[in-house]
Amino acid sequence: AQSVTQPDIHITVSEGASLELRCNYSYGATPYLFWYVQSPGQGLQLLLKYFSGDTLVQGIKGFEAEFKRSQSSFNLRKPSVHWSDAAEYFCAVSGNTPLVFGKGTRLSVIA
Amino acid sequence: DARVTQTPRHKVTEMGQEVTMRCQPILGHNTVFWYRQTMMQGLELLAYFRNRAPLDDSGMPKDRFSAEMPDATLATLKIQPSEPRDSAVYFCASGPREGANQPQHFGDGTRLSIL
Repeated sequence: AQSVTQPDIHITVSEGASLELRCNYSYGATPYLFWYVQSPGQGLQLLLKYFSGDTLVQGIKGFEAEFKRSQSSFNLRKPSVHWSDAAEYFCAVSGNTPLVFGKGTRLSVIA
Repeated sequence: DARVTQTPRHKVTEMGQEVTMRCQPILGHNTVFWYRQTMMQGLELLAYFRNRAPLDDSGMPKDRFSAEMPDATLATLKIQPSEPRDSAVYFCASGPREGANQPQHFGDGTRLSIL
């Protein structure tokens, strides 16, 4: 069965600093990988997805993620964080079954 | 932008009462998912449908929860009788076509409090 681990429960970064959120997955074949963002009181919004091809994928809001098969990772990055990026971020994996989500990483942004 | 619509947004009721949550998936989407989100457990898949047929409801407590799709534009999740441990945010999501690997589009959730 597939699984997702997000090692960091909470991360705080300064506005303008770079960001990397970690995601490790477990799945026997090539996975389908997703990053979602959840703002307070709202549902999850898709940031980006990886199905195949180029291992560096671009998403909305200036986010990107890199698939590294050798490390079973799909880390999310942003070069310069804005205060509006403060939210909960979820990594998810899918193979032949519906999405399995990680526990999430809460991002706080300080001035 | 097309959106998944969930009603009600908030529900407070007493233990033992029936609770019905509704979801209108995005028009044309043929997969519908129900999730429950709590601080302790995170996001849990309760059930999902494809072309209105239930494919998996193993995540749901069968004795009190039921999920249905009376038609393509409406999915319901019912709890009867409700218990305090059911307090959570319940999300509905829909997917654009065949394949559980398709991106899911989430509604804003129903925040349920059972007193």
